[in-house]
Parts: sequence; structure tokens; C-alpha cells
Amino acid sequence: AQKVTQAQTEISVVEKEDVTLDCVYETRDTTYYLFWYKQPPSGELVFLIRRNSFDEQNEISGRYSWNFQKSTSSFNFTITASQVVDSAVYFCALSEASGETSGSRLTFGEGTQLTVNP
Amino acid sequence: GAGVSQSPRYKVAKRGQDVALRCDPISGHVSLFWYQQALGQGPEFLTYFQNEAQLDKSGLPSDRFFAERPEGSVSTLKIQRTQQEDSAVYLCASSETWIEAFFGQGTRLTVV
Repeated sequence: AQKVTQAQTEISVVEKEDVTLDCVYETRDTTYYLFWYKQPPSGELVFLIRRNSFDEQNEISGRYSWNFQKSTSSFNFTITASQVVDSAVYFCALSEASGETSGSRLTFGEGTQLTVNP
Repeated sequence: GAGVSQSPRYKVAKRGQDVALRCDPISGHVSLFWYQQALGQGPEFLTYFQNEAQLDKSGLPSDRFFAERPEGSVSTLKIQRTQQEDSAVYLCASSETWIEAFFGQGTRLTVV
């Protein structure tokens, strides 16, 4: 069975601080996809990144960066120079790559509430 | 529309009442998913459609939950005889490929 663990329930930082959100996953599949989503108060889940299990290269997009380490089953997310607008709940998710007939159902972690204070 | 649209945004139902939640996916998206998100939790998978075919309904919590997508576009999630534990946000997502899903804003259901 798949499982995603986000041990940090809530994080509070002051604007301009760097913050890392942790994600640890479990899966028996050798091929899988990892995701991060942002959920602002409006409720919509906003896609941030997708990573496949064969690509361990770290990625940077503006102030966001992701560190994928297969050896520790972790896919951590760092926000550099945080801003108040980054305040939201962030979800890490896992999808197995079983093919089109089973879709891409996501297994989510419980989320981390990030509050960035001015 | 440009994104996934769900209606109503909010629904209050009396225990025992039937409810129907609607999802308008992004035009042309083959795949459609329903998720249930309890307060303070991550979304949990309910069911998956590929066009009009319901290929996976393993996440539906009971036979009171029923989903359909008769013409392969709009989908309806129906909950019969609602109970308090059904209170949650119901999220719909659609995707063109089977990898990346786009989510709607959800329907917040409160059963009183």
C-alpha cells in the first residue's frame, strides 16, 4: 500500500525566512510519481511540481526548490525568502504508474499548514 | 470555462437527505476523479472515470455513494441518506493525460 507522511502539521515563519516542508513516502512500485500541491484558503488545489521516480535531479523554480532522495524515500520542498502570499496548506502526493486503465489516483499526505508572518 | 468547475460551493443537508454534487471538468479531459477531504486532512480518492466508464470506485466509502458521468463530460456525485460523517469537502479533478490532474475548488458539504 502507498503512504505519504508529512510530519510537520504546522509551520510558522517570518517573511523572508527560508522554510523546508518534509515529505516521506512508501510504495512498493518501482515506477511512481511524486507531486506537491498548494491549497490556499479558497480551497482549490494548485499543482506545483511532478517528479517521476527515475529522475532524482533536484529542481528549482524561482523561490521554490525540491529535493528528491530515493535512498531515503523523501521529496522535500523548500521555499526561499518566504512571502506572506505563500501562506497555505501544502500537500505532498504519490501516484503509482500502473497505466491508463487505473488512472493517476493520488495518495496525499495530511498536509502542512504554512503561515508566513509579515 | 478555463478550469474545473464544481457546484454548489456549499451545501447544508439534514441528516438522511440525499445530495447531488456536480463537476464540470476542463473541456476535452478524458479522466475525471472525485476526492473527499475531511477537515484538517489530505484528500482521499473516491472514484475515477475515463470518459463515461467508471474504472475505479474502490474509494467510495459505502453504497450510499454513487457517481456517474453519462456522456463522458459532466459528472455527478450522489450521496444518499447523508450522515454526519459525510461532512467534508468533495473535490473533483480532471486530466488530459493520466498523470497531471487539475482540481476544482470543491463543494463543502455539511450534514446537520
